Amino acid sequence: GDSVTQMEGPVTLSEEAFLTINCTYTATGYPSLFWYVQYPGEGLQLLLKATKADDKGSNKGFEATYRKETTSFHLEKGSVQVSDSAVYFCALTGNAGKSTFGDGTTLTVKP
Amino acid sequence: DGGITQSPKYLFRKEGQNVTLSCEQNLNHDAMYWYRQDPGQGLRLIYYSQIVNDFQKGDIAEGYSVSREKKESFPLTVTSAQKNPTAFYLCASTETGAKNIQYFGAGTRLSVL
Repeated sequence: GDSVTQMEGPVTLSEEAFLTINCTYTATGYPSLFWYVQYPGEGLQLLLKATKADDKGSNKGFEATYRKETTSFHLEKGSVQVSDSAVYFCALTGNAGKSTFGDGTTLTVKP
Repeated sequence: DGGITQSPKYLFRKEGQNVTLSCEQNLNHDAMYWYRQDPGQGLRLIYYSQIVNDFQKGDIAEGYSVSREKKESFPLTVTSAQKNPTAFYLCASTETGAKNIQYFGAGTRLSVL
């Protein structure tokens, strides 16, 4: 079946540092790929998405590019802020419409 | 504002008791989902429903039951058969069709007394 593997956390960075959270996937066909963010005690919110190969999703300074050749969708941000501290989930939705989530990566940004 | 409302935010279950978690959406979405989230882990699918009066088991359906009598509502019952119910439960919905964004509620945290 489909699967998503995320970089293990937690990740701790200083403010204005560069962020990369790795995500690779296994799926048949052409899934859509997503990054969701979860703040403490809340549900998940969509951060960005990409629906086909070479698409780049972007939002709030975060970016991720759908790389079919490496089955990856790594999340990046050039300069993180304290307010970016949260748990980040990589996810895919496959051909059957079912979503699969990674285990989440906890990011802490220190001032 | 359109969205998904889960209630209650916190719930406590006694031994042998069934409890029901509410999920209501006013997004006019056809598909709804229930996930379980344990600390440090991803989301695991419990049940999902793509249309009214129809639902399917997800990966961890044992000890849970659902109903979908109205498009807007998808309640989850945690039965006494679920021996380890302590977790954060998330409800989500999507528009009809594959590969769409999931919209999540704020979650219900269930604990055992």
